[in-house]
Amino acid sequence: AQSVTQLGSHVSVSEGALVLLRCNYSSSVPPYLFWYVQYPNQGLQLLLKYTTGATLVKGINGFEAEFKKSETSFHLTKPSAHMSDAAEYFCAVSFIAGDTGRRALTFGSGTRLQVQP
Amino acid sequence: DTGVSQNPRHKITKRGQNVTFRCDPISEHNRLYWYRQTLGQGPEFLTYFQNEAQLEKSRLLSDRFSAERPKGSFSTLEIQRTEQGDSAMYLCASSPTRQGANNEQFFGPGTRLTVL
Repeated sequence: AQSVTQLGSHVSVSEGALVLLRCNYSSSVPPYLFWYVQYPNQGLQLLLKYTTGATLVKGINGFEAEFKKSETSFHLTKPSAHMSDAAEYFCAVSFIAGDTGRRALTFGSGTRLQVQP
Repeated sequence: DTGVSQNPRHKITKRGQNVTFRCDPISEHNRLYWYRQTLGQGPEFLTYFQNEAQLEKSRLLSDRFSAERPKGSFSTLEIQRTEQGDSAMYLCASSPTRQGANNEQFFGPGTRLTVL
């Protein structure tokens, strides 16, 4: 079974400071990893994804994440926080088992990012 | 690309009533997913369709829940005899099957259900 753990349900940073949101996963097979962002009363928007290849993945809005297999981690970072980054962030994992196989995303419980002026 | 749309956006109902939600996926996507999200939690998978075939169902999908995608386009999720524990945001997502899509799922805005 696969699972996702997001350390820290709330993270607060100052505007311009580094953003680091932590995600650890467990999966019995090589995973696909995703970060989504959710603004209040809205659906989820994909920030970035890791499938294969380069382990450092760049996404939208200046975010990036690094897949570290040895640490089973996929932490999300942004060098300089902006007020508009305040939102809920979700890490998710999936794996593909054949063409019609299991495709459900398993999500972490989320991290709410606050950006202080 | 008009995105995934869901209707209604909000639904308030009394316990014991039946409710139905609709999802319209992105037009060229033939995979469609339903998730449920309760307050303070991440989305939890309910079920997924490839075209009109329902290929996977979660244990969360009790016998009071039924989902259909009759023509492989829009989908409906019905909850019968609603309970207060059904109060949640119901999210729909879709994804393409082209090579390289890698299970990237595009989410709609959700339907927020409140059961009184």
